[in-house]
Amino acid sequence: EVQLVESGGGLVQPGSSLRLSCAASGFTFDDYAMHWVRQAPGKGLEWVSSISWNGGSIGYADSVKGRFTISRDSPKNSLYLQMNSLRTEDTALYYCARVGLQTDAFDIWGQGTMITVSS
Amino acid sequence: EIVMTQSPATLSVSPGERATLSCRASQSVNSNLAWYQQKPGQAPRLLIYDASIRATGIPARFSGSRSGIEFTLTISSLQSEDFAVYYCQQYNNWSYTFGQGTKLEIK
Repeated sequence: EVQLVESGGGLVQPGSSLRLSCAASGFTFDDYAMHWVRQAPGKGLEWVSSISWNGGSIGYADSVKGRFTISRDSPKNSLYLQMNSLRTEDTALYYCARVGLQTDAFDIWGQGTMITVSS
Repeated sequence: EIVMTQSPATLSVSPGERATLSCRASQSVNSNLAWYQQKPGQAPRLLIYDASIRATGIPARFSGSRSGIEFTLTISSLQSEDFAVYYCQQYNNWSYTFGQGTKLEIK
C-alpha cells in the first residue's frame, strides 16, 4: 500500500525550532518529487516547500523562505522539514504529499502532523 | 505569484443534481491545474489533474474542463459522499498555489 506518514508535530513557543518527518512506503521514493503543504485551523491549503526526486531542485513559499529547510534521505525513504524561527502564524496541520509520475499534481497525501506555535 | 480564485465560496445543491465549481487563474497556467476534494478530518484527495484527467479511482461523474485561464469542475449527479470542500491548484513552472476552496453543501 502506498503510504505517507508524518511525524514530529507538537506545541512549541515562538522562535523555537522543530523538525518534521514523512516516512514513505509502498513505492520507489527516489522516483518522486515531494512537497509539504499546510492548513491552518479552519483555513485553506497553502503550499510550503518542494524537493525534486534527486534533491537537485528545491522551492519555498515566500512565507517560510529563509526559515524552513526541506530535505530527503533516500535510504530511509524519508522527507524532512526543518522549521526554525517559528511564528504563531505557522500554526497548522502539515501534510507531506507526493507528485504523480505523469503529472505535477499531488497524488498521494499523508494524514498530517499538527504544529501549534504559542507562548 | 499566481493567484487562484474559486467561486462560489459556498454552493448549495440537492443530491442528484449537477454541481459546477469555478476556478480562475490570475495568469496562464496552461493546463497545469488540479482539483482536490477534502472532507472534514481527512487529507485532500486528488480528483482531476492536467485540467481534465480523472485520477485513478475517481468516478466518471467528476469532470474537469479549461477555457483559457478559467477552469471548471463539474459533478454530474451529486451523491451524499460528494459534499465536501473542493480546492483547485495550479502547478506551473515549479510554482504552486491553491484556491481558497468551495464548500459544497447539501441543499
